[in-house]
Amino acid sequence: AQSVTQPDIHITVSEGASLELRCNYSYGATPYLFWYVQSPGQGLQLLLKYFSGDTLVQGIKGFEAEFKRSQSSFNLRKPSVHWSDAAEYFCAVGAGGTSYGKLTFGQGTILTVHP
Amino acid sequence: GAGVSQTPSNKVTEKGKYVELRCDPISGHTALYWYRQSLGQGPEFLIYFQGTGAADDSGLPNDRFFAVRPEGSVSTLKIQRTERGDSAVYLCASSSSSGGVGELFFGEGSRLTVL
Repeated sequence: AQSVTQPDIHITVSEGASLELRCNYSYGATPYLFWYVQSPGQGLQLLLKYFSGDTLVQGIKGFEAEFKRSQSSFNLRKPSVHWSDAAEYFCAVGAGGTSYGKLTFGQGTILTVHP
Repeated sequence: GAGVSQTPSNKVTEKGKYVELRCDPISGHTALYWYRQSLGQGPEFLIYFQGTGAADDSGLPNDRFFAVRPEGSVSTLKIQRTERGDSAVYLCASSSSSGGVGELFFGEGSRLTVL
């Protein structure tokens, strides 16, 4: 069975600092990997996704993530955090194909940004 | 509206009662998903519709939970004999793809509280 682990429940950074959110997955085949962001009062929004090809993927809002098969990781990064990035971030893995929307999510990482 | 709409946004009910949660997907989206998000957890898959039929209902926790999508658009999640453990935010998502790499668009969710 597939699973996702986000080791950090809560991360605090200063505005302008760099950010890395960790994600480790367990999946038997080539995974489809996603990062979503959830802000209060808003639905989950897709930041970026990886299916194949270049292991460094770019997303919206200046985020990027790197797929490392050897480490079963898909960490999310941003070089300079803005106060508006404060939210909860979820990593997810899926099987693709006709089941592409059947995702397994991690527990989430809450990001707090200090001015 | 342009996004996925879920009603009610909040529902408080008593243990043992029946509830219905409604999801109105983005117009033209053929795929519709229900997820459940308990406090402090990531979303968990419940059921997936492709058109009018439930393509995968493996995530429904028991036979008290049932979902329909009779005309291939609006979907209703039905919960019978509610229990306190059913308290959660129920998320709906839709997508335009029947397979491959389509993006899920999530609604803001229906928060269910069972007293």
